[in-house]
Amino acid sequence: LAKTTQPISMDSYEGQEVNITCSHNNIATNDYITWYQQFPSQGPRFIIQGYKTKVTNEVASLFIPADRKSSTLSLPRVSLSDTAVYYCLVGGGGSYIPTFGRGTSLIVHP
Amino acid sequence: EAGVTQSPTHLIKTRGQQATLRCSPISGHTSVYWYQQALGLGLQFLLWYDEGEERNRGNFPPRFSGRQFPNYSSELNVNALELEDSALYLCASSLSGQGGRNQPQHFGDGTRLSIL
Repeated sequence: LAKTTQPISMDSYEGQEVNITCSHNNIATNDYITWYQQFPSQGPRFIIQGYKTKVTNEVASLFIPADRKSSTLSLPRVSLSDTAVYYCLVGGGGSYIPTFGRGTSLIVHP
Repeated sequence: EAGVTQSPTHLIKTRGQQATLRCSPISGHTSVYWYQQALGLGLQFLLWYDEGEERNRGNFPPRFSGRQFPNYSSELNVNALELEDSALYLCASSLSGQGGRNQPQHFGDGTRLSIL
């Protein structure tokens, strides 16, 4: 069962780049890593997914080292509206048990 | 394209009662997942249904159960409600590929269950 660890909280300022790292030491070979954003009283929203190396879309980048034991979500030039909780998700090995991290509360200051 | 819809938005029950929560997946999605999110905590996996079958369940007692219908919608039933069952219950759906393991999940906005 893949266990994930993330920082509980982070602070940043508008216009800065934010990097949030998730540790997942016992990730299974077939598991992808997915990141979600959650605002209060809403369900999580898909941000990005990757397997290895680097993935980039219009809102974020995801960096995964060769050993895949961690991943880093990179948000370029954050704004106040990026204040939210960010979760990483990995699969659960032989039988799929989605395991979310406890989430990282990102606060973006003016 | 309509997203994942959940009903009701809010549900208030008393201890010992039974609750039924409903979820309609995105059209074309055959996998449905249920999660519990207690206040201030992360998402705890409850159940995964795919193609009408329960594929896996998390570490929750048997009074948490559910089913998936032929149209891929799903119900979560919670029997003998306890105070600690108060939480936001989230449903997500995905395409079914490799057992749905690596398909991005798309979430509804949840049902807030309050136990008095």
